[in-house]
Formats: sequence, C-alpha cells, structure tokens
Amino acid sequence: QSVLTQPPSASGTPGQRVTISCSGSSSTIGTNYVYWYQHLPGTAPKLLIYRSNQRPSGVPDRFSGSKSGTSASLAISGLRSEDEADYYCAAWDDSLSGWVFGGGTKLTVL
Amino acid sequence: QVLLVQSGAEVKKPGASVKVSCKASGYTFTGYYIHWVRQAPGQGLEWMGWINPNSGGTNYAQKFRGSVTMTRDTSTSTAYMELSRLRSDDTAVFYCVRDRIVGASDAFEIWGQGTMVTVSS
Repeated sequence: QSVLTQPPSASGTPGQRVTISCSGSSSTIGTNYVYWYQHLPGTAPKLLIYRSNQRPSGVPDRFSGSKSGTSASLAISGLRSEDEADYYCAAWDDSLSGWVFGGGTKLTVL
Repeated sequence: QVLLVQSGAEVKKPGASVKVSCKASGYTFTGYYIHWVRQAPGQGLEWMGWINPNSGGTNYAQKFRGSVTMTRDTSTSTAYMELSRLRSDDTAVFYCVRDRIVGASDAFEIWGQGTMVTVSS
C-alpha cells in the first residue's frame, strides 16, 4: 500500500481535460512539494511537474499541477493520444525521511 | 548532453547479490545526488535511496536498510547499487536517476535507461 493515494485509472477523449488526484498526509503533501512523473511503457519515467506546479522546459503547458492541504492534482488539458501513460505523484515524507510515490494512475485516451 | 547509462540485464539466484552500475556524462558528477528507483512487474515506482557523489553520504529507504549499498567512483563518474540477499520479489527494473538541483534532493530529473534484474532459481 502506497503512502500517497492515487486512483488506479482515469480516462478521457481527445481534446478533453482530465485530472488525476494524489492524496497524502501532513508529513508528505501537507508540508512538502509534490512532483509528477509520466511513464510510457518501455521507456524511463519523465519529470512532468516539480515543486507542485512548475514545469520543466520542454513539457507542454497542457500539463499543470496544483496542491491544496494534503492533496494535489495533475491536470491535462487538450488530451492527446500520446498522453496515454501511467502517471505517478511523489513527495518527500518527513516521517520516513525519504521519498514516497503514489501507486500510479493509468490514463487511457478513448 | 546529460546521460546516465546503466549496466545490462542480470539473472540471479535467490540469496545472491546484484550490483548495477550507472555511468554519468555531460555534467559534473559530484554536483548532483543519484537516486535509485525500482519498478517490479505490474507494480509502481519505489524509491530505494540516494547517494551524494560528492561526499559518498547515503540515505536509504527504510525498507532497504540492511540489504542495499550505494557507492560511487568519482574517477569514472559511476554510481553503483548493490542489493543483497535477493528474493524472487526483488525481480524488477532498477533505474538510476539524477536529481534536479545541485547538492540537495528535489526531483528525479534525468533517468537512466533501466536495468532488468530477474531473481529466479
């Protein structure tokens, strides 16, 4: 069981906006930044969002992150077929003194 | 170009150890933490720990304390992860990852290609 909780699946149609949630606690998301990673099958994961709402260069502005209290969300607007992937949230856990991931959300583009 | 190139796939028997290498290029190796993250088949990502290549200092996830050892060789810009007392549920893809910022831990930015380790009798 993961320290951060994500829905196992999400879906949307091309052009739609979808959000993926990530729920944590006071020792994780409540006091630390949230990070999001995109993982396409057969490839290495890719950093999508850092420090809760910052995009690395090269990541389209269709991807955005937000945080409120002990929860966070990743939003993908203008959904495209190439967005079909697994998405993971991560945060530092003050209690464990280590990084923790959510269980991952498989996004299907219908 | 910043690159992390990992060693090849391994097959090990239960109880054995495995050592995976991660050769860095394109940046100052001692400037950035190297993390190790694994993914078992059908499972999610799991952080194993980090090494500070400058000092050699480490921080292991609680689950792996006592079974993982992370080291580095600054002369070859290579980080190593050794996992001992392997069990079948250690079968996974292991990734080395460079952190995003200098001298601290912030985000898993640059990923190696992954190394498949299979534990089977």
